[in-house]
Amino acid sequence: TQTVSQSDAHVTVFEGDSVELRCNYSYGGSIYLSWYIQHHGRGLQFLLKYYSGNPVVQGVNGFEAEFSKSDSSFHLRKASVHWSDSAVYFCAVASGSFNKLTFGAGTRLAVCP
Amino acid sequence: AQTIHQWPVAEIKAVGSPLSLGCTIKGKSSPNLYWYWQATGGTLQQLFYSITVGQVESVVQLNLSASRPKDDQFILSTEKLLLSHSGFYLCAWSSQDTQYFGPGTRLLVL
Repeated sequence: TQTVSQSDAHVTVFEGDSVELRCNYSYGGSIYLSWYIQHHGRGLQFLLKYYSGNPVVQGVNGFEAEFSKSDSSFHLRKASVHWSDSAVYFCAVASGSFNKLTFGAGTRLAVCP
Repeated sequence: AQTIHQWPVAEIKAVGSPLSLGCTIKGKSSPNLYWYWQATGGTLQQLFYSITVGQVESVVQLNLSASRPKDDQFILSTEKLLLSHSGFYLCAWSSQDTQYFGPGTRLLVL
């Protein structure tokens, strides 16, 4: 069984700050990791994914994430946040069958002007 | 470009009443389709997925059922709603291992 842990329920930063949202997973086999963003009351928007290759993957709107097998992590980063980045961010993992996606609890990011 | 539409946008229903939520994907033939449920302020729980017409796999049922009557349509339903069915229902489709989500249907059961 795969599990996803997002240790920070809330993160607050100021506009222009850098931010890292943490995601740890547990699963021993080949794994597919992704990040989604959910603005209030909306559906989820895909940000980026990792399956193999370069452990640093680039996504939309300046987001990137780094896969670490040794740490079982897939942390999301952005060098300079904008107020419009305020949202809930979900990390998700799938293994084997890509049809079964498990989501973390989410991290609510608040960007203060 | 692919578009995903969910209906209705929102519903208020009574406990014990039936429910039918719909999802349609346009611009993608034979998509894999998914249903998720999200409690208010919570994470997403995958409910069902379907890789072809007439075939639905259950992940977590929560006293709900799903059907895929057409290639581009996925239906979530129940004959008797429970209070615990309240929440946000999201449909998704996948392409090359990535799932793309619809705008969702908000359900309040009273």
